[in-house]
Amino acid sequence: EVQLVESGGGLVQPGGSLRLSCAATGFIFTDYWMHWVRQAPGKGLVWVSRIMGDASETTYAESVKGRFTISRDNAKNTLYLQMNSLTAEDTAVYYCAKGMTARLPDIWGQGTLVTVSS
Amino acid sequence: DIVLTQSPDSLAVSLGERATINCKSSQNLLSNSNNKNYLTWFQQKPGQPPKLIFLWASTRESGVPDRFTGSGSGTDFTLTISSLQPEDVAVYYCHQHYSTPPTFGQGTKLEI
Repeated sequence: EVQLVESGGGLVQPGGSLRLSCAATGFIFTDYWMHWVRQAPGKGLVWVSRIMGDASETTYAESVKGRFTISRDNAKNTLYLQMNSLTAEDTAVYYCAKGMTARLPDIWGQGTLVTVSS
Repeated sequence: DIVLTQSPDSLAVSLGERATINCKSSQNLLSNSNNKNYLTWFQQKPGQPPKLIFLWASTRESGVPDRFTGSGSGTDFTLTISSLQPEDVAVYYCHQHYSTPPTFGQGTKLEI
């Protein structure tokens, strides 16, 4: 059974940084793209970033480009999202998701809440 | 970016009645190469992550009840629940994976 468990969320001040992690089990991690998708409180789903199985390719939404960095450690079956220069608009639940394809996140974790506030 | 517009934003349907949710894309989602529509539907129940319920606009995922039907092609798609059950209360999102960035509709909140 595929399981994705996010961690690392919390309260951070504007301009601060945070690193999210996502531990993956139940599938061959290196075979799949991985995605981050976020959901602001009471709002809809917004795709944030993706990374290829061998980490050779990454893509970002325009809203986070230059501030967020996606990475993965295939030896640890773990996905990361380094978030810098955070603003209130980044407040959201961040989900990691296994990618059925490069553009289709099919199985999602439970999410981790990031709150940017002073 | 491809914009997906869902209608309505919210919907209240009686138990046992039909619920219909629409999703309109700003661009064609039908691929000429494989004749597939790159449109999926997600169901998000309160306090839970989204769950994929339809691939390719009309392919029901394993375990999804057959009262759920996905239809449409090109730019117009529909999710239909033929006989609403209490466990169907959720927000439903359409999603396109035709082009990057992948995008979602704004969601439709389905209530009883």
